Amino acid sequence: DIQMTQSPSSLSASVGDRVTITCQASQDIKNYLNWYQQKPGKAPRLLIYDASNLESGVPSRFSGSGSGTHFTFTITSLQPEDFATYYCQQYDVLPPYTFGQGTKLDIK
Amino acid sequence: VYLVESGGGVVQPGKSLRLSCAASGFTFSSYSLNWVRQAPGRGLEWLALISFDGSDEFYADSVKGRFTISRDNSKNTLFLQLNSLRIEDTAVYYCAREGITVAVGAFDVWGHGTVVTVSS
Repeated sequence: DIQMTQSPSSLSASVGDRVTITCQASQDIKNYLNWYQQKPGKAPRLLIYDASNLESGVPSRFSGSGSGTHFTFTITSLQPEDFATYYCQQYDVLPPYTFGQGTKLDIK
Repeated sequence: VYLVESGGGVVQPGKSLRLSCAASGFTFSSYSLNWVRQAPGRGLEWLALISFDGSDEFYADSVKGRFTISRDNSKNTLFLQLNSLRIEDTAVYYCAREGITVAVGAFDVWGHGTVVTVSS
């Protein structure tokens, strides 16, 4: 099975900051990589699909890049509502699908 | 577009439970569907996928042979049968729709989750 290594596991930042999260796949997954945001007590929300495509309705301060085994997720100019936990997820050709361990982003 | 889970509860180890996920607002029979869980204080774990017509099923190793995913396209409902439950199956269980044509392999619609607690 494909393993996803996400880093950092936690991150402190301030409103207005730029933050970057990385995800490393254990094998080539082309661009089959998605990013989610989850707030406490809520279901996850899809932000980025296929490594770099912004889901409808998601603000443009969110972006993703990468292919193969190395991926990055960036939030430019953090807003108060962005403090949450973020997950990457690979889907390759067939399941099993796997998530990264998550990155908890909190206020410095 | 909605997914609403139900069927969670408190159950003893070794017992069974059946979760349901009722869909509305989209053409249910056109979409593959998944179950994802989250143990308390932990990350997301993908569990199972069923194809749009129910002809294909896939499972995580952690639940293979114990959990069964199914669907009733006539009732717009997804199911997860949980057998031989273990303490470590305690989690919030989410159903999630997988995108088609766009965002294939991405979970673009999620339910609110249903809580399963396995305890003696």
